[in-house]
Amino acid sequence: KAGVTQTPRYLIKTRGQQVTLSCSPISGHRSVSWYQQTPGQGLQFLFEYFSETQRNKGNFPGRFSGRQFSNSRSEMNVSTLELGDSALYLCASSHSGAGNYEQYFGPGTRLTVT
Amino acid sequence: QKEVEQNSGPLSVPEGAIASLNCTYSDRGSQSFFWYRQYSGKSPELIMSIYSNGDKEDGRFTAQLNKASQYVSLLIRDSQPSDSATYLCAVSRNDYKLSFGAGTTVTVRA
Repeated sequence: KAGVTQTPRYLIKTRGQQVTLSCSPISGHRSVSWYQQTPGQGLQFLFEYFSETQRNKGNFPGRFSGRQFSNSRSEMNVSTLELGDSALYLCASSHSGAGNYEQYFGPGTRLTVT
Repeated sequence: QKEVEQNSGPLSVPEGAIASLNCTYSDRGSQSFFWYRQYSGKSPELIMSIYSNGDKEDGRFTAQLNKASQYVSLLIRDSQPSDSATYLCAVSRNDYKLSFGAGTTVTVRA
């Protein structure tokens, strides 16, 4: 079974621009979560989607948004990029079956804001 | 106080020894506990999950959970150079919102 895929893998953007990152979960997984990883703050939860609905949200400004499609694929968008948004953005998928909360990460998208 | 705290590293162990990693969490409502391994430049890889008090063994890895003490640990037996990585402890309230510790870097020396 294929793992979680994320595109693009690397991205360089300029301050003020906006960016869209894409994530395809493991086949059969319906929950998709997004995380930001930086050297200073570590891994931080952004949001989680299930059946096209955002079920949970972390403490990030409204510039960070996401959505999920009917095939469980998800996108996250960051508007008005700031230098501090430079990070590894990780998507994780979960089967979301009863009692199973394991999340499997994709390879990530490395975003650099200049 | 951070939600999830891990013993500061780096942790250096000789090949064949046991590496012991510790993690404490502050949210008593936490129900799910995970250990991830992250190699430099790679994404986290799930190696263990534990939901009930006690021990859970998987190959050379043993996770231990004590909810009363809000403590979870990971033992790596017969450490190999390929175990050299950063190990991340993660907890959740069964809501798919993982809170991560800062990680402990383990180096296994030959």
